[in-house]
Amino acid sequence: AQSVTQPDIHITVSEGASLELRCNYSYGATPYLFWYVQSPGQGLQLLLKYFSGDTLVQGIKGFEAEFKRSQSSFNLRKPSVHWSDAAEYFCAVGVEGYGGSQGNLIFGKGTKLSVKP
Amino acid sequence: NAGVMQNPRHLVRRRGQEARLRCSPMKGHSHVYWYRQLPEEGLKFMVYLQKENIIDESGMPKERFSAEFPKEGPSILRIQQVVRGDSAAYFCASSLTPGHYNSPLHFGNGTRLTVT
Repeated sequence: AQSVTQPDIHITVSEGASLELRCNYSYGATPYLFWYVQSPGQGLQLLLKYFSGDTLVQGIKGFEAEFKRSQSSFNLRKPSVHWSDAAEYFCAVGVEGYGGSQGNLIFGKGTKLSVKP
Repeated sequence: NAGVMQNPRHLVRRRGQEARLRCSPMKGHSHVYWYRQLPEEGLKFMVYLQKENIIDESGMPKERFSAEFPKEGPSILRIQQVVRGDSAAYFCASSLTPGHYNSPLHFGNGTRLTVT
C-alpha cells in the first residue's frame, strides 16, 4: 500500500540556519511527489512538485527538494530559514485514481517547523 | 481572482445534528476534491467530483457522509447524525484538469467542524 512517512514531528532551527525536512514514500510505480506548506488556520500551499526528469526541483520561497529513487526519499531543503517559514510542512505522493486521475494525494503526518530568532 | 472558498470557517454541531460544508472552486475549475484532517494527522482523501458526477469516493465513510457538486452552485459535503469522531478540519481543493500533471490542486482554508 502507498504511504508517506515524515520521521520528524517537530523541528526547531535558528533563523538563517539551513533546513532539511525528511520524507520517505512507499509506492510501486514512479511517484508524483509534492511538498505543501500550511500556516496556522490556513489551507495548503504547493511549494514544489516532482513528476520526472531532473531529480532536483526548485520551488517557491527558496525551497528545493531532491528525489532519490534508491532511498525512496524526497527531502525538502532551504539554505537559510526566515522567521516567516515557521509553519507545518506536508509531503505527499500522488496516486492513480479512477479514470487515471492523479487527484488522490496521500499525505504524511507533517513536520512542524519552529524558527528561533 | 478568488481562490477556493470554503464556508463556514468554523462549524459547531451537537451529536446527532447534520453538518453541511460548502466549497466554491477556483474560477474555471470543474474538478473538486474533499480531504479530512484529523488532529495531529495529515490530510486524508475523501472524494473527487466533477460537475454533477462523483468520480472517486473511495475515501468516504460508508455511512452518514455524502457529497455533491451540482451543475450550479458550490460543492457540498454533508455529514448526517454527526458524532464526536467527525470533529476535524475539512479541506476542499480544486483543479483545472484531472490530476496533477497539468495543474496542481488549489486548497481552500478549510472548515473546522467541532462536534459537542
